[in-house]
Amino acid sequence: DGGITQSPKYLFRKEGQNVTLSCEQNLNHDAMYWYRQDPGQGLRLIYYSQIVNDFQKGDIAEGYSVSREKKESFPLTVTSAQKNPTAFYLCASSIAGSQYFGPGTRLTVL
Amino acid sequence: KQEVTQIPAALSVPEGENLVLNCSFTDSAIYNLQWFRQDPGKGLTSLLLIQSSQREQTSGRLNASLDKSSGRSTLYIAASQPGDSATYLCAVKPESGYSTLTFGKGTMLLVSP
Repeated sequence: DGGITQSPKYLFRKEGQNVTLSCEQNLNHDAMYWYRQDPGQGLRLIYYSQIVNDFQKGDIAEGYSVSREKKESFPLTVTSAQKNPTAFYLCASSIAGSQYFGPGTRLTVL
Repeated sequence: KQEVTQIPAALSVPEGENLVLNCSFTDSAIYNLQWFRQDPGKGLTSLLLIQSSQREQTSGRLNASLDKSSGRSTLYIAASQPGDSATYLCAVKPESGYSTLTFGKGTMLLVSP
């Protein structure tokens, strides 16, 4: 089946820890994205990548980092510099102007 | 900066009603507009994509219209069902630049039996 997978589904982090969220796609899409969703605030763009080994900051990149070493993979690291990381994180890929989303990862800081 | 507004924020209707969800955007220089559905705790599912040159798109009981010049889109749901209960989001893609979407905050729909 073609699609986007995200893991884990739930993630708990202690303050001061870095955590990495996985996003994999087998749709052969060049572009991939990370969004953060908070209640009542809609989706906000963290990072995006148009091509392997290249990525751009979105609206709320501070405290996050990404890599794009393979076309299929776009992992997101939430660093200790992100002061309020508890949120729902969504990964997406796109082709021909249409975006396709993964199932999301819910991150909670303990 | 593009801003997308969705009205109403929440809507509750009895089963069988026809309903309209609204989406407005401030910059009419868009490439396309996409409607998504999100179930609680899940990712987004694309419902309809309207190119800037199109006026509407239909899929089953769903019909989306686009008035680019006035910065408005509507999602019409015919004969609503409890299974339609979800949050509906619209997003616009700009004419220029990379494919970064601007999302509205969504309309939370509850269809009661």
